[in-house]
Amino acid sequence: QKEVEQDPGPLSVPEGAIVSLNCTYSNSAFQYFMWYRQYSRKGPELLMYTYSSGNKEDGRFTAQVDKSSKYISLFIRDSQPSDSATYLCAMRGNTDKLIFGTGTRLQVFP
Amino acid sequence: KAGVTQTPRYLIKTRGQQVTLSCSPISGHRSVSWYQQTPGQGLQFLFEYFSETQRNKGNFPGRFSGRQFSNSRSEMNVSTLELGDSALYLCASSPAGTGDSPLHFGNGTRLTVT
Repeated sequence: QKEVEQDPGPLSVPEGAIVSLNCTYSNSAFQYFMWYRQYSRKGPELLMYTYSSGNKEDGRFTAQVDKSSKYISLFIRDSQPSDSATYLCAMRGNTDKLIFGTGTRLQVFP
Repeated sequence: KAGVTQTPRYLIKTRGQQVTLSCSPISGHRSVSWYQQTPGQGLQFLFEYFSETQRNKGNFPGRFSGRQFSNSRSEMNVSTLELGDSALYLCASSPAGTGDSPLHFGNGTRLTVT
């Protein structure tokens, strides 16, 4: 079993929809949780970064971490065609390597 | 502030050859990590360097090696290339390499082995 599981999608939604992206993990030592967005032919771009459990909001993006359930989510409100990309969750302990999910492909159609 | 710069962007090599990839981190960042990205495996951690010392290593064979220079720039080398080494190689930097300093990625080097 992988340390981090992420639904690969693809996920196809209409413009304006609310998108929910999720990851589960097995290592209780993970404390730092990140979401990256990757466009085709580009490197991953940091979207959200949270520490421990709780919510964090940045514009149309909200990240949630539930450490008791080992579950993290990224919500995108009012989705736009420009949000079409692959979304990667990532997490780590304090000094360990960053572990990535396999990524969810999202397509937002006009 | 300039981002992480990786060179070259594309490489085509033949089986058995060796290759060296280069990474310039964000100014002031002392930690550099390397990842291999493939459609089947996603992002796999290769190694991390901090202040010229390898601090973490992933589960890759010894053909994969790296180093970091005093100016924090890093190189990775793959010897005796195999077809399965075809991938996007990503470099990421962070100020300290600890959990509270997220990684910032370059756009990668696309390596094709024929």
